[in-house]
Amino acid sequence: GIQVEQSPPDLILQEGANSTLRCNFSDSVNNLQWFHQNPWGQLINLFYIPSGTKQNGRLSATTVATERYSLLYISSSQTTDSGVYFCAVVPPTGRRALTFGSGTRLQVQP
Amino acid sequence: ETGVTQTPRHLVMGMTNKKSLKCEQHLGHNAMYWYKQSAKKPLELMFVYNFKEQTENNSVPSRFSPECPNSSHLFLHLHTLQPEDSALYLCASSQDSAAIATGGYTFGSGTRLTVV
Repeated sequence: GIQVEQSPPDLILQEGANSTLRCNFSDSVNNLQWFHQNPWGQLINLFYIPSGTKQNGRLSATTVATERYSLLYISSSQTTDSGVYFCAVVPPTGRRALTFGSGTRLQVQP
Repeated sequence: ETGVTQTPRHLVMGMTNKKSLKCEQHLGHNAMYWYKQSAKKPLELMFVYNFKEQTENNSVPSRFSPECPNSSHLFLHLHTLQPEDSALYLCASSQDSAAIATGGYTFGSGTRLTVV
């Protein structure tokens, strides 16, 4: 099945810093989403972005489908950004449901 | 509130108990999913339902039994579980078939299950 790799696995930032999270995937995809999981386990959908670039406030994401990667940018980080960020994809063949990466655990310190 | 509601939020059960997890979505979606998240592991797909029909069973043990009576409701029936089944169980839905998932998936808040 499709492989999804995220980097870095862990990231510690000072409040106000910027960061880039990366997601590489091993096959073409129909669907790619970025999620933020808060400390209570809730998965919040950040972006549905199988291709192109989107922005939402301090967050933006870019997916280059032909090169099989996606990037999530966090600018001016805040302590509330802490948590785990997951990338998940659906390939055009095989398992027809989201396959998740292992996540990037982000800690933003005041 | 995301539009996908899971109950209960927390559940502690003995290995001989029978319990059920419930998921309800108010988004008009036609595909629903169960995922399992064990400690410090990525989410693992368990089951997929499209238009009330099961289309994916990811080699899940028979002590987990899903039920999808309509496109808005999804259940996970639990019986004779093991301590290693303790995990966060997440339900999700998407607008159309799982293969297309236009607009992406929406997740519920999860049920944190502890088997003692």
